[in-house]
Amino acid sequence: GESVGLHLPTLSVQEGDNSIINCAYSNSASDYFIWYKQESGKGPQFIIDIRSNMDKRQGQRVTVLLNKTVKHLSLQIAATQPGDSAVYFCAEKKNSGGSNYKLTFGKGTLLTVNP
Amino acid sequence: EAEVAQSPRYKITEKSQAVAFWCDPISGHATLYWYRQILGQGPELLVQFQDESVVDDSQLPKDRFSAERLKGVDSTLKIQPAELGDSAMYLCASSLSSGGYEQYFGPGTRLTVT
Repeated sequence: GESVGLHLPTLSVQEGDNSIINCAYSNSASDYFIWYKQESGKGPQFIIDIRSNMDKRQGQRVTVLLNKTVKHLSLQIAATQPGDSAVYFCAEKKNSGGSNYKLTFGKGTLLTVNP
Repeated sequence: EAEVAQSPRYKITEKSQAVAFWCDPISGHATLYWYRQILGQGPELLVQFQDESVVDDSQLPKDRFSAERLKGVDSTLKIQPAELGDSAMYLCASSLSSGGYEQYFGPGTRLTVT
């Protein structure tokens, strides 16, 4: 079965509010965790990643938190904008042998930003 | 900005017919991936190439799916015969190499099998 899953399938927020998207994982051997954004009709787009030995990483308006104790990952988006409306996936990147890495995606959360 | 190109963007085919998808990765990217994405779910890896060699095809249904990357640049994914359950988005991605580099995804081909 899947080793990466999401708590909520949909999230609706008001423009300007902060958004928090959650993800649970079961595989402790992952090397990285990655958040992707997928807009309608497009392929997934890399947002931010975090190495498995880190707790927090910040980017532009986004923060990823990793809680290894409870195997939980979250993506925080500050001052959410209408352009942030999309499906967000968490994925784990794990070494699959030699120098090869494999991505395993979860099911996704649909974020809707209301103006 | 360089992008992964895929064609066609949409394909409707009848079951038992053959269908093919094409992908042109970002120039210089040695690693190419084909994923299948069922509506509402995350992408699932079908096959991974390093240059012209298959690195991982463990999730590719080899009785009906085939993939090739003959010159180590562009790639073709074929389904023959197509089944109703093959309806999905087929995504191509590429990365500089296989060593954990970021994967860049194309826009995908939406396949509908009737």
